[in-house]
Amino acid sequence: KAGVTQTPRYLIKTRGQQVTLSCSPISGHRSVSWYQQTPGQGLQFLFEYFSETQRNKGNFPGRFSGRQFSNSRSEMNVSTLELGDSALYLCASSLRQGLAYEQYFGPGTRLTVT
Amino acid sequence: QQQVKQSPQSLIVQKGGISIINCAYENTAFDYFPWYQQFPGKGPALLIAIRPDVSEKKEGRFTISFNKSAKQFSLHIMDSQPGDSATYFCAASKLGGGADGLTFGKGTHLIIQP
Repeated sequence: KAGVTQTPRYLIKTRGQQVTLSCSPISGHRSVSWYQQTPGQGLQFLFEYFSETQRNKGNFPGRFSGRQFSNSRSEMNVSTLELGDSALYLCASSLRQGLAYEQYFGPGTRLTVT
Repeated sequence: QQQVKQSPQSLIVQKGGISIINCAYENTAFDYFPWYQQFPGKGPALLIAIRPDVSEKKEGRFTISFNKSAKQFSLHIMDSQPGDSATYFCAASKLGGGADGLTFGKGTHLIIQP
């Protein structure tokens, strides 16, 4: 069974631009969560989607948004990029809704904001 | 507010030795405690997880010890091998999720010397 895939793997954007990242979960998984990983803050939870609905949301500004499609694929959007948004963005999928279940992470998208 | 404190930040162990990483949490509502292993350029991979109704769980060379009263849990890697060299993250969450999502410790960079 294929793992979680994320595209693109690397991205360079300019401050003020917007960006969309994509995540395809493991086949059959309906929950998709997004995390931001930085050297200073570590791994931080952004949000979780299940059945096309946002179920949980972390403490990030409204510039960070997401959505999930009927095939469980998910996208994450960051508008008005700031230098501090440079990070590894990780997507994780799970069979069930809620975060107390096994989550499988993708390789991440490395976003650099200049 | 850091809800999961992980120590040590880095650890060097000789091949064949026991690696021990500790975590402490504050939120008594947490009821799921996983450990993740991350290699450079890869997403975190679930190693082992525990619920608070048991005090220990073992899978191969990896063991989680859990102390509910002290709000602490630890990962023990027996017979440590050079291939175990990676960054390890403890995490915690509430069943069903919530704004905190899956809350991670800051990570431990483990080096196993041959």
